[in-house]
Amino acid sequence: GAGVSQSPRYKVAKRGQDVALRCDPISGHVSLFWYQQALGQGPEFLTYFQNEAQLDKSGLPSDRFFAERPEGSVSTLKIQRTQQEDSAVYLCASSLNQGGRGGNGYTFGSGTRLTVV
Amino acid sequence: GENVEQHPSTLSVQEGDSAVIKCTYSDSASNYFPWYKQELGKRPQLIIDIRSNVGEKKDQRIAVTLNKTAKHFSLHITETQPEDSAVYFCAASGANSKLTFGKGITLSVRP
Repeated sequence: GAGVSQSPRYKVAKRGQDVALRCDPISGHVSLFWYQQALGQGPEFLTYFQNEAQLDKSGLPSDRFFAERPEGSVSTLKIQRTQQEDSAVYLCASSLNQGGRGGNGYTFGSGTRLTVV
Repeated sequence: GENVEQHPSTLSVQEGDSAVIKCTYSDSASNYFPWYKQELGKRPQLIIDIRSNVGEKKDQRIAVTLNKTAKHFSLHITETQPEDSAVYFCAASGANSKLTFGKGITLSVRP
């Protein structure tokens, strides 16, 4: 596609509910990143894929967070037993080159705004 | 790990004036420094980036400078326009690929 597509755009979940957030990167982009952006803050790194391999998951805040990219294209971020502190915008970004340090840097999606009530 | 700090947190300038936004980083191994612009409710958009092997880069009204010794880099916007009003984030990354972002600065351009 023309850009990074994320769905849903908005998600309201009851505390304790499981959610799945989808990211469709730019076609052919090797690297895919998930970030969490709390209100008024900068994006915080969650995890990084190179093709289907999850190379870094050091930013995932707890074992309730799980991400996958089984075919090296679409990625899903799953949050189990959601808590109020999980409320944030979840941003996905992709990059043509390894590590996002190619000529174009990252391209971000519009994000999924998750509200846990 | 890397720590990126931005200052000031808000900046207000008159239309036509220049704006300078500064960032510092902690990890001397960082070698890539992008700047993102984020309008309210929208995605962060890359506006300019610089690598550690250069000291300055320009793109029309926007420039970025890097001082590796002092570990700081700055975004310069000349002839500011109201549509430059947004939140600007600096970031840094090294060999581990992930970007570490600053907290952002809100730039307001007064018409």
